Amino acid sequence: GAVVSQHPSRVICKSGTSVKIECRSLDFQATTMFWYRQFPKKSLMLMATSNEGSKATYEQGVEKDKFLINHASLTLSTLTVTSAHPEDSSFYICSALSGLAGTYEQYFGPGTRLTVT
Amino acid sequence: GQSLEQPSEVTAVEGAIVQINCTYQTSGFYGLSWYQQHDGGAPTFLSYNALDGLEETGRFSSFLSRSDSYGYLLLQELQMKDSASYFCAGTTSGTYKYIFGTGTRLKVLA
Repeated sequence: GAVVSQHPSRVICKSGTSVKIECRSLDFQATTMFWYRQFPKKSLMLMATSNEGSKATYEQGVEKDKFLINHASLTLSTLTVTSAHPEDSSFYICSALSGLAGTYEQYFGPGTRLTVT
Repeated sequence: GQSLEQPSEVTAVEGAIVQINCTYQTSGFYGLSWYQQHDGGAPTFLSYNALDGLEETGRFSSFLSRSDSYGYLLLQELQMKDSASYFCAGTTSGTYKYIFGTGTRLKVLA
């Protein structure tokens, strides 16, 4: 149980276009999901907390107008990178918070590698 | 702010024991988790400490000392497949979000 999927796994887009990344909890409901980005050989940096039915909470320094997050259902959160630029190229990873069995653990998706040309 | 520091790289041989340290400065600290990540993959959960002391899960153990703002991951009977990056992640009370440590790249040599 507690499987999280992401789609797409890889995407290449041209500078100036927008890209949407989906994060789904497959076998549990997640009222809270998190979005991270990770540069090569670096740590995961929390971008925002996505709450079902409400606005996302962004970490300091993350542009909310550039990284649009929508959490429309208990199993789906989307991250849209708007007007992408080469510096947005990164590995984007989501996680979903599961409250199964009274524990609160984050389950991570497999990640999406974004390359902006 | 919040920060969790780890050594950048550790090298050990198969069968050995290695300890990866994590020191943190986190206001409202609640607990410390450990994750393993292979290149190109997602982080996978290893262990969690909410209380001081040692938690043992098979070959992996994790330790936490709140008074020292310090924790470590202990890997025993190292195997080649343990070569990966290891991250500590702190959570704060009142929120479930993680702040990840700087990460440690473990190389296991034959």
